[in-house]
Amino acid sequence: AQKITQTQPGMFVQEKEAVTLDCTYDTSDQSYGLFWYKQPSSGEMIFLIYQGSYDEQNATEGRYSLNFQKARKSANLVISASQLGDSAMYFCAMLRNSLFTGTYKYIFGTGTRLKVLA
Amino acid sequence: SQTIHQWPATLVQPVGSPLSLECTVEGTSNPNLYWYRQAAGRGLQLLFYSVGIGQISSEVPQNLSASRPQDRQFILSSKKLLLSDSGFYLCAWSHGTSGNYEQYFGPGTRLTVT
Repeated sequence: AQKITQTQPGMFVQEKEAVTLDCTYDTSDQSYGLFWYKQPSSGEMIFLIYQGSYDEQNATEGRYSLNFQKARKSANLVISASQLGDSAMYFCAMLRNSLFTGTYKYIFGTGTRLKVLA
Repeated sequence: SQTIHQWPATLVQPVGSPLSLECTVEGTSNPNLYWYRQAAGRGLQLLFYSVGIGQISSEVPQNLSASRPQDRQFILSSKKLLLSDSGFYLCAWSHGTSGNYEQYFGPGTRLTVT
């Protein structure tokens, strides 16, 4: 079964420190993608970073990096130099690509609530 | 640039009443469209997705339905709302071709069924 697991319901981090949010996935697909989204209290979903299953290098976007370990099926998000504005809910998601329909279906984890402390 | 709109932003409806939530996308053509529901403090549950006009796939059997009357319009409906339909409804789109897999989300509709 296709599944995304985020085992940390809540995390605290001191401002300016780095934090790692865990994500493991289960899939039998050969080709897939992994995403991280941020959801502030306003409810909007903000795309942070993407990693393709065939990408050899870990994805980075500014202060965000994705620690992709394919053999362990993990795709942890690392936020460096945390800021107060980083306080939000963070969702890990997996993309399943149907070669037959051309449809891209996304499976989301249950999320991790991050609180950055001043 | 592409934008995605959802309305209404908030809605309070009694049990047994009908529902219609609308989502429209601008600035792109033939997108894949999605409806998600998020219960309070929970993750996103995929409800419906569509790869083209009139083509709807349902992920979860329930009293909701979806329609895509135009290329960039996606509607979520119900004939009779249940208390369990309360939640935050998000519409999203992605490119219909390979190479760009990011999903773009609308601002959401917060539905309370009383």
